[in-house]
Amino acid sequence: EIVLTQSPGTLSLSPGERATLSCRASQSVSSSSLAWYQQKPGQAPRLLIYGASSRATGISDRFSGSGSGTDFTLTISRLEPEDFAVYYCQQYGNSPPKYTFGQGTKLEIK
Amino acid sequence: QVQLVHSGAEVKKPGASVKVSCKASGYTFTSHYIHWVRQAPGQGLEWMGKINPTSGNAIYAQRFQGRVTLTRDTSTSTVYMELSSLRSEDTAVYYCAREGLQLVGGYFDYWGQGTLVTVSS
Repeated sequence: EIVLTQSPGTLSLSPGERATLSCRASQSVSSSSLAWYQQKPGQAPRLLIYGASSRATGISDRFSGSGSGTDFTLTISRLEPEDFAVYYCQQYGNSPPKYTFGQGTKLEIK
Repeated sequence: QVQLVHSGAEVKKPGASVKVSCKASGYTFTSHYIHWVRQAPGQGLEWMGKINPTSGNAIYAQRFQGRVTLTRDTSTSTVYMELSSLRSEDTAVYYCAREGLQLVGGYFDYWGQGTLVTVSS
């Protein structure tokens, strides 16, 4: 079973700074099956990135995804106040179908 | 626009069952799998299962096998999640989510607002 480990658990930054969030898989995964979500308090998650690097509809180009194999990264180039939230990575495996989330990274205002 | 609208909050006693609905609109209901994901208070996201709205076939996460049942009604574009033998650890927000179609799929491009299920004696 693939386990996704996100780091850091909490990231404290100021608006305007660059954020780098990591997602490490316990074994190699297909880049096509890696996604990132943003969740604000009291709201449902929102898709940011799918296929490791493709931005979802309506997502700012300040958000970018990269990586392959076991190491994936979500980068937010210039933090806006609305970006402070919890971020989850998620992986899809198909034998049998299984959808796994990382434990989340909380991005907080410094 | 794509919308997934949940039924309202539920309070249940241990051992009971709960059935939550998710009504889809704004797209062709049979074109996308619908998944259920839950989130316990202050915790992360946990996948429970998915249903093919065309065939009605469902696949469940191993830890929920035998306790969760997903069904759908194509006439109303609604998916249902029933969870039985409830225990306090099942207290969570339950989300339905639509699976995207790009690349190999496997991601969730639209989410419902969630239904809070509270299990308490």
